[in-house]
Order: sequence, then structure tokens, then C-alpha cells
Amino acid sequence: AAGVIQSPRHLIKEKRETATLKCYPIPRHDTVYWYQQGPGQDPQFLISFYEKMQSDKGSIPDRFSAQQFSDYHSELNMSSLELGDSALYFCASSPRLADNYEQYFGPGTRLTVT
Amino acid sequence: GEDVEQSLFLSVREGDSSVINCTYTDSSSTYLYWYKQEPGAGLQLLTYIFSNMDMKQDQRLTVLLNKKDKHLSLRIADTQTGDSAIYFCAEVPGSYQLTFGKGTKLSVIP
Repeated sequence: AAGVIQSPRHLIKEKRETATLKCYPIPRHDTVYWYQQGPGQDPQFLISFYEKMQSDKGSIPDRFSAQQFSDYHSELNMSSLELGDSALYFCASSPRLADNYEQYFGPGTRLTVT
Repeated sequence: GEDVEQSLFLSVREGDSSVINCTYTDSSSTYLYWYKQEPGAGLQLLTYIFSNMDMKQDQRLTVLLNKKDKHLSLRIADTQTGDSAIYFCAEVPGSYQLTFGKGTKLSVIP
């Protein structure tokens, strides 16, 4: 079965650079979520999109922005990177009308800021 | 994870049962989830329970829910070395995003 695809899997950037993370949801899933997991931490919700519109916003810094495109893939844009942005970034997708709100997670993008 | 609490570590011998506990705070959560994360890997949904259920069994996994005490537990029967991972409980408190606990690191001793 198709899963959530994230690219790249690993990314190394320097401070003050920008990064773009991509997420391709499971086919026919209309909702995408972004989470950030720092080292030894639990995943923290950043932002979500439903039908290409932002639906919820969590602890996403102003330096980050995201969008969902017409093909439902999503991109997380991160600017003025800081050392503290080093983390595992997960994308999850779900069909909004699923009864159990189940979210399917991608393998994550590991971002290292040096 | 400030609203969902878990003990951080659990060590069991192979073949024994493991019980991982979680306390959540939002009584409006309709579903509660258990996710497994192996080192360097993504989050795998293990099981979930609807809030009007007390228990759910799925092969070696048993989930118990005490809504009055807002307590959730995951029991893994016949724990194997492949079960070594971090286990997160999670709730959906009102809106659709997941709120995770800090995770319990399960170590299985051969």
C-alpha cells in the first residue's frame, strides 16, 4: 500500500540558510499535518492543511511557512535557520472524514543545522 | 506533550508482559492512540481506542481506558526484543492535531 512520502530524508544546512521540505500524502488523503520532533522529545504539531487551506496552527515559528498544493502535496519552508531547528520533521496525512482521525506518518526528514 | 504524561523508561525480560501507562487531561478526546517509534524511524500507529470503550484487544496488544481517571494503558503480551522502541500515547484534544506524551522507552532484555 502507498505510504506518505517525504523528501529529502536528510538535509544539512547552515545557520541563516533556508530549507524546503516536501510531503506527498497517501492518495485520496485530503489533510496533511506537519510535526517537529527535537532530539529526545515528543513530536510537536506545527501546522495542518485541509483541502489546500490551512486548518490548524500549532507551535510553528514565524520563520516557517507551509502550503498545500492542488495535488495535495505540501511543502514546509523554513528560513533564517537556527541551530535549534535541528530536528526530525514528520508529515502525516489522513482523510478528513475518517471516523477515527487516524494519521499516517511519513518516515520523516532529518534536518541538521550547523 | 505537556497535557499527556508517561513514565520515561520501562525494562522487561523477553517473554514477560509489558505495561505502559499514560495519563491524559482532555476529557473531550474522542480517540486515544498508541504509536511506536524505533530508533531513527517514523511513527507507526499500533492501535487506538474510542473513548466510549473500556478495553480493546488486538493480538498481543491490549489497551485499557479508564475515562474517570483519564488513564490509558498498553499491555504487550509475550514481549519480544523487536518490541524495543519508544511508545507514545496521543490524544486528539478537540481539533484534529495529535498531542503526544513524552514517550516511554521500552527495553527488552533477552
